[in-house]
Amino acid sequence: GENVGLHLPTLSVQEGDNSIINCAYSNSASDYFIWYKQESGKGPQFIIDIRSNMDKRQGQRVTVLLNKTVKHLSLQIAATQPGDSAVYFCAENKLWGGGADGLTFGKGTHLIIQP
Amino acid sequence: DAGITQSPRHKVTETGTPVTLRCHQTENHRYMYWYRQDPGHGLRLIHYSYGVKDTDKGEVSDGYSVSRSKTEDFLLTLESATSSQTSVYFCAIRRTRDRGYEQYFGPGTRLTVT
Repeated sequence: GENVGLHLPTLSVQEGDNSIINCAYSNSASDYFIWYKQESGKGPQFIIDIRSNMDKRQGQRVTVLLNKTVKHLSLQIAATQPGDSAVYFCAENKLWGGGADGLTFGKGTHLIIQP
Repeated sequence: DAGITQSPRHKVTETGTPVTLRCHQTENHRYMYWYRQDPGHGLRLIHYSYGVKDTDKGEVSDGYSVSRSKTEDFLLTLESATSSQTSVYFCAIRRTRDRGYEQYFGPGTRLTVT
């Protein structure tokens, strides 16, 4: 967990604005990254993943960017909604082996949506 | 959380008592995991299993043991609970995805050791 971290523990944004959540990693061997969302009282839920052979991947209202040069990962949420309020984690491992030995998680960022 | 359940969901116990948490899956996945979640630490891997009777240690395995006698059940035991084991415990299974994989999590067990 120490090699995968988040720069800001809390991020407050206005409803309708875009959110950007950052993550730094230091394990050069990692080539597969996942973003999770965790709502209060629930388990983490998969949002989007990216392989190291990609710089960008888009999903529904979410985009993940990967900068391997500086070992940085970010999650962008477009037009933030109240339902986006949660804690967001990045996680890493190697694609080869299918993550059989588990994932290494960052400490999380709490996204707060202001009305 | 269809496919993976945890029991109990909440438990309060005293220091020194044994505690067993259960994870049950209905999807026949080979890999199962136990994580703990604490403020400021994110999720940390305790133990994992890669098949019936096949387990291995994770990052924070001290004070914990696991067992897997059936594919569907993965048990986490605290032989003698301590206050430092107060935490939220999550079980996960590994699911493949079209471009990779994910850890799919259960709803969690909140354990308080007094």
